[in-house]
Amino acid sequence: NAGVTQTPKFQVLKTGQSMTLQCAQDMNHEYMSWYRQDPGMGLRLIHYSVGAGITDQGEVPNGYNVSRSTTEDFPLRLLSAAPSQTSVYFCASRDRGGVTGELFFGEGSRLTVL
Amino acid sequence: AQTVTQSQPEMSVQEAETVTLSCTYDTSENNYYLFWYKQPPSRQMILVIRQEAYKQQNATENRFSVNFQKAAKSFSLKISDSQLGDTAMYFCAFMKHNNNDMRFGAGTRLTVKP
Repeated sequence: NAGVTQTPKFQVLKTGQSMTLQCAQDMNHEYMSWYRQDPGMGLRLIHYSVGAGITDQGEVPNGYNVSRSTTEDFPLRLLSAAPSQTSVYFCASRDRGGVTGELFFGEGSRLTVL
Repeated sequence: AQTVTQSQPEMSVQEAETVTLSCTYDTSENNYYLFWYKQPPSRQMILVIRQEAYKQQNATENRFSVNFQKAAKSFSLKISDSQLGDTAMYFCAFMKHNNNDMRFGAGTRLTVKP
């Protein structure tokens, strides 16, 4: 059971380059989300989705795009990377109908923008 | 907006001793979830324990227990018989019931010393 899978685990970009962080889950979870983790700030929500075709902004959405064409996949796109986007990114999912509220996380992707 | 505060950036404890990590939160909601997540050096986010606000009984999971004080909006984590493997960042998190936004504190780095 793979759970939540993120790729790549590490990436170095130059300012202005674009890239996509991939996220896939095999638990049939309706809810998926992207967080960024920065020192001293915990995890902050970037975007989330409650089902295929439905996305919404979180706390820090600027500079990021998302789409949800299938239940399994929720990619995060950086159209023009900036040094301020250097961070560790986590994809997470949960069962909206579940009673626990627990989020299941991927292993994280460390992004460095030079 | 809900905020989560962890006032202890770093803590240390001797192996086999007990340590308590603090967390306070701010909300006007009555129905919500609280969580403690552990992030070891591997970077994986692991759920340690959860509490539903409507339950007065404090949650326990083996060596981990919480002191949930709803009126004071406090949710501390007690780790008994600390083990070297407990060394990690610990994040307190809050989520309203039927909401899509889990808010995290800044984290407490716990070191267990042999």
